[in-house]
Amino acid sequence: GAVVSQHPSWVICKSGTSVKIECRSLDFQATTMFWYRQFPKKSLMLMATSNEGSKATYEQGVEKDKFLINHASLTLSTLTVTSAHPEDSSFYICSARDSEGTGYNYGYTFGSGTRLTVV
Amino acid sequence: AQKITQTQPGMFVQEKEAVTLDCTYDTSDPSYGLFWYKQPSSGEMIFLIYQGSYDQQNATEGRYSLNFQKARKSANLVISASQLGDSAMYFCAMRSPGYALNFGKGTSLLVTP
Repeated sequence: GAVVSQHPSWVICKSGTSVKIECRSLDFQATTMFWYRQFPKKSLMLMATSNEGSKATYEQGVEKDKFLINHASLTLSTLTVTSAHPEDSSFYICSARDSEGTGYNYGYTFGSGTRLTVV
Repeated sequence: AQKITQTQPGMFVQEKEAVTLDCTYDTSDPSYGLFWYKQPSSGEMIFLIYQGSYDQQNATEGRYSLNFQKARKSANLVISASQLGDSAMYFCAMRSPGYALNFGKGTSLLVTP
């Protein structure tokens, strides 16, 4: 089946630094990538949607200058948390969709998630 | 706008028993897709089952079945013969017009021996 590799699995960074999270589709073309944020014991909240070669579309309330999303190729999307602060600590997870949306698992493949802790 | 509602924050079930996790939804789109995912403590999202709005039959995948009642806008997940490994968070989700999945608040399931 389809696989999305997400790295790093966990990261601890100092306040004020930037952190990059990568999601790479290994065996299919991820036309669209969705980025979610999840607080402990809460639901997944959609942060942004990115299509290959286009600017990401951010959900209301998500700071696009803080959460930079790049989707330069059909197999790689990155989320950079800039000038991270403790309140950015969370679980971030990506979900890739192929162009037809009819592939493995009905078109949605999730990365394994990244636990970010900002100290 | 779409809305997914899961009203059970937590559920207990004894091993080998069946359990039903509730999900109701609201949408004005005639065509939609409903998903159930399992999220263990590791955080990965595990796809369980899918139901399309035009599917005539309720979806089934092994021990998982979906009780789809379109008129009531409900899509409850039934897990039969619960196992200790079924303990996890369970999320109901709906595909949005922009293709992102919108998730309910989730239900924490604990399977006891």
